[in-house]
Amino acid sequence: EDKVVQSPLSLVVHEGDTVTLNCSYEVTNFRSLLWYKQEKKAPTFLFMLTSSGIEKKSGRLSSILDKKELFSILNITATQTGDSAVYLCAVQGRSGGSYIPTFGRGTSLIVHP
Amino acid sequence: NAGVTQTPKFQVLKTGQSMTLQCAQDMNHEYMSWYRQDPGMGLRLIHYSVGAGITDQGEVPNGYNVSRSTTEDFPLRLLSAAPSQTSVYFCASSYANSYEQYFGPGTRLTVT
Repeated sequence: EDKVVQSPLSLVVHEGDTVTLNCSYEVTNFRSLLWYKQEKKAPTFLFMLTSSGIEKKSGRLSSILDKKELFSILNITATQTGDSAVYLCAVQGRSGGSYIPTFGRGTSLIVHP
Repeated sequence: NAGVTQTPKFQVLKTGQSMTLQCAQDMNHEYMSWYRQDPGMGLRLIHYSVGAGITDQGEVPNGYNVSRSTTEDFPLRLLSAAPSQTSVYFCASSYANSYEQYFGPGTRLTVT
């Protein structure tokens, strides 16, 4: 059974802080790891990672994958109140003929002004 | 494009009642999925479909039925609602073997 574990489950910081969110996984026939941001509505896509060691970057957010140690991290630098959200990690493994993602429980990030 | 649409946005049911949550997409996506989200539990897969006429069970399928008669629609049926089915339900779609899923706005269901 595929498994995705995120840590910490919740995090409270002040604006300007840097945060690191963790995602470890066990999956059969790994295809990709995905990060989503969820702000009291539907999740929105952030990053897709398939190769180890290659950093994906979008503004103040960046993510990297380690396929040997089976984990990924999501970094947010100079946090802002608008970064407050639940961050979801999902891993795509092959189930039968399709790639169905398994989600972790998420990390709830609260950024205080 | 409207993307992925879900109706209703909110619903309250009594135990034992039945209902159908609607999901439609206009992007010609082959894959469609239903998830439920409970506090602190992330997204759990209920059922999914890889194309019209093909459905399969996810992690938590008990108490739910689905069908996929067209590419566009993927309704989720609760035959006899139970309080344990109180949750927020998300529908998602994607191209076959694509990395990115597109999510609908969600349906908040309360069963009393």
